[in-house]
Amino acid sequence: NAGVTQTPKFQVLKTGQSMTLQCAQDMNHEYMSWYRQDPGMGLRLIHYSVGAGITDQGEVPNGYNVSRSTTEDFPLRLLSAAPSQTSVYFCASSPRGAGNIQYFGAGTRLSVL
Amino acid sequence: GIQVEQSPPDLILQEGANSTLRCNFSDSVNNLQWFHQNPWGQLINLFYIPSGTKQNGRLSATTVATERYSLLYISSSQTTDSGVYFCAAANYGQNFVFGPGTRLSVLP
Repeated sequence: NAGVTQTPKFQVLKTGQSMTLQCAQDMNHEYMSWYRQDPGMGLRLIHYSVGAGITDQGEVPNGYNVSRSTTEDFPLRLLSAAPSQTSVYFCASSPRGAGNIQYFGAGTRLSVL
Repeated sequence: GIQVEQSPPDLILQEGANSTLRCNFSDSVNNLQWFHQNPWGQLINLFYIPSGTKQNGRLSATTVATERYSLLYISSSQTTDSGVYFCAAANYGQNFVFGPGTRLSVLP
């Protein structure tokens, strides 16, 4: 059972480039979410999804897009990367909603130069 | 939304010592979890504990939901316990919010 899988583990971008961070879960969870963690801080919610076809904004959504075409996948898109988006990104999933236990991926470390 | 505070922000222990980490939250919760982030950045789920007490080896946690706090106990600490401990909580129908963390250093 792989759980929550994030790819890539590391990425370096130049300012203005675009990229997609991948997140996949094999637990048939309805709820998926993306967080960013900046140095010395806790995690902050970017976007979340309560099921296929449904997404919503979290605390820090600007500069990011998401879509949820399948239950398993929840990609995070950076449309035009900025140095302020240098961070570690975590994807999480849970059976239903934020009130259920959250399972986290290993993270993607992103640097924007 | 819910606010989550943790104390202390930093803690330095000698190997073998015991410690208590505290998490306060501003509203009623239907989810509370404790995580350990190891020096490699990986988030390890320690406890899912919206109420009551749980134990797992040298670690235990208690959440008193009516008083809006949770405690994480680490007994006989080891150097491998070092890292950052996060508490995170969700209020009914709202999103999962992380506290700022407690950085623990266990010295040999």
